[in-house]
Amino acid sequence: DAKTTQPNSMESNEEEPVHLPCNHSTISGTDYIHWYRQLPSQGPEYVIHGLTSNVNNRMASLAIAEDRKSSTLILHRATLRDAAVYYCILRDLMRRDDKIIFGKGTRLHILP
Amino acid sequence: DAGVIQSPRHEVTEMGQEVTLRCKPISGHDYLFWYRQTMMRGLELLIYFNNNVPIDDSGMPEDRFSAKMPNASFSTLKIQPSEPRDSAVYFCASSFRRTYNEQFFGPGTRLTVL
Repeated sequence: DAKTTQPNSMESNEEEPVHLPCNHSTISGTDYIHWYRQLPSQGPEYVIHGLTSNVNNRMASLAIAEDRKSSTLILHRATLRDAAVYYCILRDLMRRDDKIIFGKGTRLHILP
Repeated sequence: DAGVIQSPRHEVTEMGQEVTLRCKPISGHDYLFWYRQTMMRGLELLIYFNNNVPIDDSGMPEDRFSAKMPNASFSTLKIQPSEPRDSAVYFCASSFRRTYNEQFFGPGTRLTVL
């Protein structure tokens, strides 16, 4: 699986936008970019995924660079509940297997 | 749907004892995954099943660990004998292949081996 690089931790103020970066310079043409997050004392939960175009859903937006070597998860208005570890993951969904390999992620701290 | 159900939520046992963790996936999902999370190693995939058949068990640490999925609605992860280094949070997750999107995780079982 292609490798991703994320900052270990980030801080943001409540009610402000948060931009979480992810580098994936060795991404292949069939790799989808997925984001999961893990709230304290809970299992990971899916946030968003994309291939080439920017994506929006009720939780976040995903901005993908034109060369696909990096992406940014955008939380438009952070709340205290968004404090979590955010994982950027590449998944080749053309493959028969369907497993996720988690890295260390970015621990996001939200300041009130 | 109640989501992925795991039991027990907490387990404390002594070294050498057998431990069995249980998982009920979301109805209709055809993939089931077992993960282990520790501070040192993060979140690791142990094994996953497709249509009740084990597909990849390369993450299972050693022969003391075994996993079964006798039917589409139930899976177990067994550790025999347990050791203190097995202490971790064990997560079960399930997904539906055709969506290609997301795995749904259970709340986890926190295992402490004394």
